[in-house]
Amino acid sequence: AQTVTQSQPEMSVQEAETVTLSCTYDTSENNYYLFWYKQPPSRQMILVIRQEAYKQQNATENRFSVNFQKAAKSFSLKISDSQLGDTAMYFCALETSGSRLTFGEGTQLTVNP
Amino acid sequence: DSGVTQTPKHLITATGQRVTLRCSPRSGDLSVYWYQQSLDQGLQFLIQYYNGEERAKGNILERFSAQQFPDLHSELNLSSLELGDSALYFCASSARTHNEQFFGPGTRLTVL
Repeated sequence: AQTVTQSQPEMSVQEAETVTLSCTYDTSENNYYLFWYKQPPSRQMILVIRQEAYKQQNATENRFSVNFQKAAKSFSLKISDSQLGDTAMYFCALETSGSRLTFGEGTQLTVNP
Repeated sequence: DSGVTQTPKHLITATGQRVTLRCSPRSGDLSVYWYQQSLDQGLQFLIQYYNGEERAKGNILERFSAQQFPDLHSELNLSSLELGDSALYFCASSARTHNEQFFGPGTRLTVL
């Protein structure tokens, strides 16, 4: 069975600063994919970033980057130059050979002006 | 806009009733996934269809069923509804396995 754990239910950051959201996961499979999704107050689920487990290089999308530590089964999300629009619930998700996504509990991020 | 559409946006019904949620995937996507988001259970995978065939099942109750039609749209049927079925139901689609899943706006179901 796959599990995803986000140990930070809530976090806050000042506008323009950097924040890191933590995620750990467990799977017995070697081939898997990791994602961060963002859910703003509108409730829409928006893909932020994706990482293939076989790639050693950490994924980057503009202000969003990940720190993927495969041996430690850790997948953290770093948001640089935080903006008010980044305020949302962030979910870490794991996809294995079965294609289904297993989600963590979520981290509510608030960006303060 | 993800390109995935879901109807209706909101649904209010009573216990014991049956409802149908509808999803149209992004153009060209063959896989459709259903997820349930509730306060106590979080985001949970329910079921996946690929090109009309059931591909995977998660924590889907026996009172729930789904299907994917030849035009690739999908329906999730919830019957004998209970208060605990109140949740946000998401549909997602992807072109193939291990691709990003694009989520629809969700259907908020309230069971009174």
